[in-house]
Amino acid sequence: EAGVVQSPRYKIIEKKQPVAFWCNPISGHNTLYWYLQNLGQGPELLIRYENEEAVDDSQLPKDRFSAERLKGVDSTLKIQPAELGDSAVYLCASSSGGSRNEQFFGPGTRLTVL
Amino acid sequence: AQSVTQLGSHVSVSEGALVLLRCNYSSSVPPYLFWYVQYPNQGLQLLLKYTSAATLVKGINGFEAEFKKSETSFHLTKPSAHMSDAAEYFCAVGTGAGSYQLTFGKGTKLSVIP
Repeated sequence: EAGVVQSPRYKIIEKKQPVAFWCNPISGHNTLYWYLQNLGQGPELLIRYENEEAVDDSQLPKDRFSAERLKGVDSTLKIQPAELGDSAVYLCASSSGGSRNEQFFGPGTRLTVL
Repeated sequence: AQSVTQLGSHVSVSEGALVLLRCNYSSSVPPYLFWYVQYPNQGLQLLLKYTSAATLVKGINGFEAEFKKSETSFHLTKPSAHMSDAAEYFCAVGTGAGSYQLTFGKGTKLSVIP
């Protein structure tokens, strides 16, 4: 079974530029999460989707961040414009829901904003 | 609200020695508790989880953790460290029935000395 796929793995951009991250969850997983992981910190939830609906986006900075999950499968997280402080690892995770709701994480996208 | 405190951002042990990584949690509801491991440039992998069944939980790679409600702790142990155990370990508390909304600690980096 393929795991959670994320691309790109690494991205370097200059500040004020836009950037997008893509995530393909494990097949059949209805719940998808985007996390932000700063250096030396644990992941922090940005947004959670149940199918195509964003059910928890309270931690997503909506002035510059946006996300979508069209058709309830893969998802894109966008930052526009990027700031220096956005340099971090962006992790995607998915789970099947129900009582056995383990989250499976992708390898992440490491963003560097210069 | 829930929170997780991991004591010690960096722990070093000799190969073959006991591994003890400490985690204390705060939760307003009965918690679900998790330990994840993260190897360099990889996503998080679930080691073990406590979901109100047995208080002593066995996980992968010889790790186990004991839930102690009176101490609000969920410390991770392994009797004998191996070089391959060198990684960063994250404790997390989950809430939200069926969704396991995770709050992570800041992580403990484990070094194993040959």
